[in-house]
Amino acid sequence: DTGVSQDPRHKITKRGQNVTFRCDPISEHNRLYWYRQTLGQGPEFLTYFQNEAQLEKSRLLSDRFSAERPKGSFSTLEIQRTEQGDSAMYLCASSADSYEQYFGPGTRLTVT
Amino acid sequence: AQSVTQPDIHITVSEGASLELRCNYSYGATPYLFWYVQSPGQGLQLLLKYFSGDTLVQGIKGFEAEFKRSQSSFNLRKPSVHWSDAAEYFCAVQSGGSYIPTFGRGTSLIVHP
Repeated sequence: DTGVSQDPRHKITKRGQNVTFRCDPISEHNRLYWYRQTLGQGPEFLTYFQNEAQLEKSRLLSDRFSAERPKGSFSTLEIQRTEQGDSAMYLCASSADSYEQYFGPGTRLTVT
Repeated sequence: AQSVTQPDIHITVSEGASLELRCNYSYGATPYLFWYVQSPGQGLQLLLKYFSGDTLVQGIKGFEAEFKRSQSSFNLRKPSVHWSDAAEYFCAVQSGGSYIPTFGRGTSLIVHP
């Protein structure tokens, strides 16, 4: 197992388009997290799953954002009608039953 | 609500010099505390963590951190910095009943040869 992977690594899109990101966690990890990170800031929590259940969502997660983890394995984060303010690094992390999180390399989104 | 303050946005040190990165947290009970490192364009890697017990914790890459309850601090230290340590460092706090950490804004470490 090589760790958490994210795809794509970079995405450039035009304002108003929809984008979808994928995260593949470490296989035995039951928790999966999405964060957003902007320049000069730490990661901000967006949402997290335990197995396939989405247990918590941040107020940052507007109605244009949706996340799924259909079989408790990989997860997708979709942003509809992208805005320039959505430009950021989107990080995925996974964890087992401990509090230690393992991060993927992130997807950098640029909205033009 | 829990919060984390990393008062230094940038720290510059010479290679071989000692390092201390500051982290202060706000949380009512004993928190879980973490330090992560992020290299450019990469995700975060856990350096060390504190849950309970010995207040001086050892991590990877020669880093250590000390939990000081009286000062609400969890400062990261390294006795001799290497050029490869140049990166962004994030402190994070998490309450015992939550699986969601709060991150500080980070400290950028610059290492001069």
